[in-house]
Amino acid sequence: DIQMTQSPSSLSASLGDRVTITCQASQDITNYLDWHQQKPGKAPKLLIYDASTLQTGVPSRFSGSGSGTQFTLTISNLQPEDIGTYYCQQYDNLPLTFGGGTKVELK
Amino acid sequence: QVQLVESGGGLVKPGGSLRLSCAASGFTFSDYYMSWIRQAPGKGLEWLSYISSSGTSIRYSDSVKGRFTISRDNAKRSLFLQMNSLRAEDTAIYYCARGADELPTDYWGQGTLVTVSS
Repeated sequence: DIQMTQSPSSLSASLGDRVTITCQASQDITNYLDWHQQKPGKAPKLLIYDASTLQTGVPSRFSGSGSGTQFTLTISNLQPEDIGTYYCQQYDNLPLTFGGGTKVELK
Repeated sequence: QVQLVESGGGLVKPGGSLRLSCAASGFTFSDYYMSWIRQAPGKGLEWLSYISSSGTSIRYSDSVKGRFTISRDNAKRSLFLQMNSLRAEDTAIYYCARGADELPTDYWGQGTLVTVSS
């Protein structure tokens, strides 16, 4: 199975900050990577697919980059509605696997 | 807009069975691979199974293989998960989602809670 390692597991940032979350795959997954946002008590929501393509309707302050084994999610200008947990997910190989999550809180 | 609505969750005893359903709307259901994904309380996300658009290709994670069965009815725009021999560790919110390998998981349902307890 492909292991997805996310860091940090949690972070605290101020409104307007630039936030960066990283995800490392245990083997090359080319660009078959999603980023999902989950707010407390809600279902996950897709933010970015194919490592860097913004899902329709997602604010442009979210961006993704990377390929192979190293990936990054960046939130520029953190907003109150961005609070939640973020998961990366690979869809290169079965079983589909997720990172452990990064909980983003307001400082 | 795309909507996925799960139902069928509840409290079941260890060793029991439950059948989850997912009603799809807002897209051509028969064109898409579909998956089931779960999340244990306070934990991360675990993919369980996918089924191809026609239903001819099915895969499972090792944790549910032999106990869970995925199926679909394209005429009724519905996805199902038959869960047998349930264990306490199957307690989770179960989500249906659109996507599979080499396809992004682009839409999720709101989830249905399954609790396995005596």
